[in-house]
Amino acid sequence: KAGVTQTPRYLIKTRGQQVTLSCSPISGHRSVSWYQQTPGQGLQFLFEYFSETQRNKGNFPGRFSGRQFSNSRSEMNVSTLELGDSALYLCASSLFRDNEQFFGPGTRLTVL
Amino acid sequence: GDSVTQMEGPVTLSEEAFLTINCTYTATGYPSLFWYVQYPGEGLQLLLKATKADDKGSNKGFEATYRKETTSFHLEKGSVQVSDSAVYFCALGGGSARQLTFGSGTQLTVLP
Repeated sequence: KAGVTQTPRYLIKTRGQQVTLSCSPISGHRSVSWYQQTPGQGLQFLFEYFSETQRNKGNFPGRFSGRQFSNSRSEMNVSTLELGDSALYLCASSLFRDNEQFFGPGTRLTVL
Repeated sequence: GDSVTQMEGPVTLSEEAFLTINCTYTATGYPSLFWYVQYPGEGLQLLLKATKADDKGSNKGFEATYRKETTSFHLEKGSVQVSDSAVYFCALGGGSARQLTFGSGTQLTVLP
């Protein structure tokens, strides 16, 4: 069974731009969560989607948003990029809203 | 809120040495506990888990026991290999919040 896939793997943007990251969960998994990983803040939860609805949200500004499609694929969007948004963005999927989450390889976003 | 405190790194060991990485947690309710491993340039891989008190998770020679009385989930391995070099994250899920809460990570380097 294929794992969680994320595209693109690497992205370079400039301040003020917006970006969309994509995540395809493991086949059959219905819950998708997003995390931001930075050297300073570590791993921080962004949001969780299940059945196309945001179920939980971390402490991030409104510039960070996401959505989930009927096939469980998810996208996250960051608008008006700031230098501090440079990070590894990790997507994780789970079968239902349980806690065993399987992570993708991440998208490395660099904001210049 | 929920939190995980993890042993500060980096940790450097010789091959075949004994490994312990300490992890303690604070949570309401009855969380599940996890150890994830991250190899350079990759996402997180679930190493082992425990879902209730006194459970022992094990995988690839690594073990951790869920100790409710000491709120701990220390990771151990009897004989490390060079290939175990990675960053290890302790995490909890299902406490007061749905998402995973991570420790700060411990960088392990194993020298031949």
